[in-house]
Amino acid sequence: AQTVTQSQPEMSVQEAETVTLSCTYDTSESDYYLFWYKQPPSRQMILVIRQEAYKQQNATENRFSVNFQKAAKSFSLKISDSQLGDAAMYFCAIGGAQKLVFGQGTRLTINP
Amino acid sequence: DTEVTQTPKHLVMGMTNKKSLKCEQHMGHRAMYWYKQKAKKPPELMFVYSYEKLSINESVPSRFSPECPNSSLLNLHLHALQPEDSALYLCASSQEGTAADTQYFGPGTRLTVL
Repeated sequence: AQTVTQSQPEMSVQEAETVTLSCTYDTSESDYYLFWYKQPPSRQMILVIRQEAYKQQNATENRFSVNFQKAAKSFSLKISDSQLGDAAMYFCAIGGAQKLVFGQGTRLTINP
Repeated sequence: DTEVTQTPKHLVMGMTNKKSLKCEQHMGHRAMYWYKQKAKKPPELMFVYSYEKLSINESVPSRFSPECPNSSLLNLHLHALQPEDSALYLCASSQEGTAADTQYFGPGTRLTVL
């Protein structure tokens, strides 16, 4: 079975600062995929970033980057230059056979 | 077009009613999903359709009945629901339904059962 743990239920950051959201996971698969999804208040969930476990290079998407530590089974998300529009619930997820397993989520607040 | 649409946006129903939720995608995706999401919780998978066939049913009560009329449409038929079934119901789709796929989510239907 695959599990995902997000140990920070809530976090806040000042606008323009950098914040890191933590995620650890467990899986017995050798090949898997990791995702960060963002769900803004009353808006739909969208993909933030995706990481293929067989790739050592950390994925980046503009201001969003991950720190993927395969041996430690850690997959943290760094948001640089935080913007008000980044306020959302962030879910870490692992891709399994035909389904995603989500963590409990981290609610991120951006302080102006 | 990377959009998944869901109707209705909001639905209020009594415990004896029958209603349906609808989901549509035009991305050519062959896998579609229904999730249930309670407030401040992650989505919980209910059903997966792959190539229009039900491939995963996560032990969902029979008062929820999924249907996939074609590769672009996904319905969720509701009957004799309970108040605890009140939640946000999300539809999603992905290219093939594999572990590598990004899932694209719709905006959801907010269901209230009285």
